[in-house]
Amino acid sequence: DGGITQSPKYLFRKEGQNVTLSCEQNLNHDAMYWYRQDPGQGLRLIYYSQIVNDFQKGDIAEGYSVSREKKESFPLTVTSAQKNPTAFYLCAATTPSGQRNYGYTFGSGTRLTVV
Amino acid sequence: GESVGLHLPTLSVQEGDNSIINCAYSNSASDYFIWYKQESGKGPQFIIDIRSNMDKRQGQRVTVLLNKTVKHLSLQIAATQPGDSAVYFCAEISNRNSGYALNFGKGTSLLVTP
Repeated sequence: DGGITQSPKYLFRKEGQNVTLSCEQNLNHDAMYWYRQDPGQGLRLIYYSQIVNDFQKGDIAEGYSVSREKKESFPLTVTSAQKNPTAFYLCAATTPSGQRNYGYTFGSGTRLTVV
Repeated sequence: GESVGLHLPTLSVQEGDNSIINCAYSNSASDYFIWYKQESGKGPQFIIDIRSNMDKRQGQRVTVLLNKTVKHLSLQIAATQPGDSAVYFCAEISNRNSGYALNFGKGTSLLVTP
């Protein structure tokens, strides 16, 4: 099946640790996105990438980093600088034409908990 | 900054009744809106969309209404079923410095009771 695979589904992090969330897509889409979701809140944009080797900060990029070395992969690292990382993280992808309409595909998310 | 938001955080309806979920937006330049459904522990799923040159659009059991004068849109679900229980988000396409991205509202939790 074509789609977006996020792993792991659940992740636990100790205080002060960096962790990396995986997002892989086999849709051949150029643009990829990372969103954070907190209870009672909508999705907020962390980082996005329009093309390989290029990415842009979203609305809440502080404490996060990304890379886009391959078209199909867009990993998100939650660094120790992120003071409140416990949240549900969602990855999405779309085509250049799909960006301006409903052509966004979402993964199933990773739930990160700080212990 | 510009925001997309919803009036009510929770909505409880009886099975078979119609549901109406509301959303207000602040960016008068927004020209495209999408409603998403999110079930617990899953990513959002597309329900229906509408462009700003339309007032109404219908899908299967769902209708979206857009009132540009008051910057308000609503999602109507006919004959609500237990499987409709989920969180519903409205979203707009945001024109960023480099490309586009979805800008989401806070969501409304819909609970369908038997």
